[in-house]
Amino acid sequence: ETGVTQSPTHLIKTRGQQVTLRCSSQSGHNTVSWYQQALGQGPQFIFQYYREEENGRGNFPPRFSGLQFPNYSSELNVNALELDDSALYLCASSLAGSRSNTEAFFGQGTRLTVV
Amino acid sequence: SQQGEEDPQALSIQEGENATMNCSYKTSINNLQWYRQNSGRGLVHLILIRSNEREKHSGRLRVTLDTSKKSSSLLITASRAADTASYFCATGPQGGGYQKVTFGTGTKLQVIP
Repeated sequence: ETGVTQSPTHLIKTRGQQVTLRCSSQSGHNTVSWYQQALGQGPQFIFQYYREEENGRGNFPPRFSGLQFPNYSSELNVNALELDDSALYLCASSLAGSRSNTEAFFGQGTRLTVV
Repeated sequence: SQQGEEDPQALSIQEGENATMNCSYKTSINNLQWYRQNSGRGLVHLILIRSNEREKHSGRLRVTLDTSKKSSSLLITASRAADTASYFCATGPQGGGYQKVTFGTGTKLQVIP
């Protein structure tokens, strides 16, 4: 167990709908990163939040947005869902500081299917 | 786009044998990490090696890093059926800053009992 929980575990949505995925960080962590993993591929970085502000973004369109709350939990919102958005969505929490990258702890993911 | 490429894409070995996976990457890095993923579930962090390190051990795992060749290898010794999983390398960008890690495409390891 990593202490990172994601909800829901599975979700089916219709094309064009909107979805919100949630992530609770490990206690004491101030950074959350979101990844999209298509079947048979490695995770692709969506964005990262540090102390409630977006702190880096991958090559994803603006319909992918996020929030981080004062307790460092986070949401990933996707608008206007497309069939290609079907994937496993992973969040990872870590403790950012002045040093270099440190270990990230991943949740079990949310499996999103868009039909 | 993926930063790293793992090789081989798939590997099947007998229990007790050693498994070696390789990772190549393109840009300068601050560190490289290896993760394990079971059946499309969350990733489990295995080991982190910094750019100024050449080799690191953790239990049955040995990781090497060659920054001149932009490559790393993960060796699992005395493999067990429970090691069956996909293994990913992930690189952290040089200069630090935000902690984006970029994952490779993964090696699917099957350990046959």
